[in-house]
Amino acid sequence: AQKITQTQPGMFVQEKEAVTLDCTYDTSDPSYGLFWYKQPSSGEMIFLIYQGSYDQQNATEGRYSLNFQKARKSANLVISASQLGDSAMYFCAMRAFNSGYSTLTFGKGTMLLVSP
Amino acid sequence: DGGITQSPKYLFRKEGQNVTLSCEQNLNHDAMYWYRQDPGQGLRLIYYSQIVNDFQKGDIAEGYSVSREKKESFPLTVTSAQKNPTAFYLCASSLGLSRGQNTEAFFGQGTRLTVV
Repeated sequence: AQKITQTQPGMFVQEKEAVTLDCTYDTSDPSYGLFWYKQPSSGEMIFLIYQGSYDQQNATEGRYSLNFQKARKSANLVISASQLGDSAMYFCAMRAFNSGYSTLTFGKGTMLLVSP
Repeated sequence: DGGITQSPKYLFRKEGQNVTLSCEQNLNHDAMYWYRQDPGQGLRLIYYSQIVNDFQKGDIAEGYSVSREKKESFPLTVTSAQKNPTAFYLCASSLGLSRGQNTEAFFGQGTRLTVV
């Protein structure tokens, strides 16, 4: 079974500052993928970034980067130069690839509020 | 435009009634999923399907039923057996769950179901 833990219920950051959202995971599968999604107040889930367990480099997508520390089983999301539009819920998720019918397992999320 | 369409956006149901939530995708994805989201919680998997005419129970399938007669469609029925059906329901789809694929899920805009 897979498990995702997000320990920060809420985070505050000022506009233009960087912020790190924590995510730890647990799986016995050596092959897996880690995903981050953003959920604005409207409710849709927006895919942000992906990291594979065998990827040598940390993933980056624009202002988003993933601080992947495999030995610690952590996959923290770093948002650089925060913008007001970044205020949303953020979910970490994982999929284990060798588990047959594998699906996405989500954490409980972190609410990020960006202030002017 | 390609995407996932959920309807309706808001749904009210009387206790004891069954109700069906619609989910249609034109992304040509093999896999489809239904998730439930409660306030302050992450997404929990209800049912998923990898191919037409096949589906599997997720973590909280009791009180729900699905069908997958067409690749594009994966409707969810919330039955009167579901004890606490008021929640936000999200449908998603992705490429097939074969090993090693960066198969992020694409989500619909959700249906907010309220039992009155």
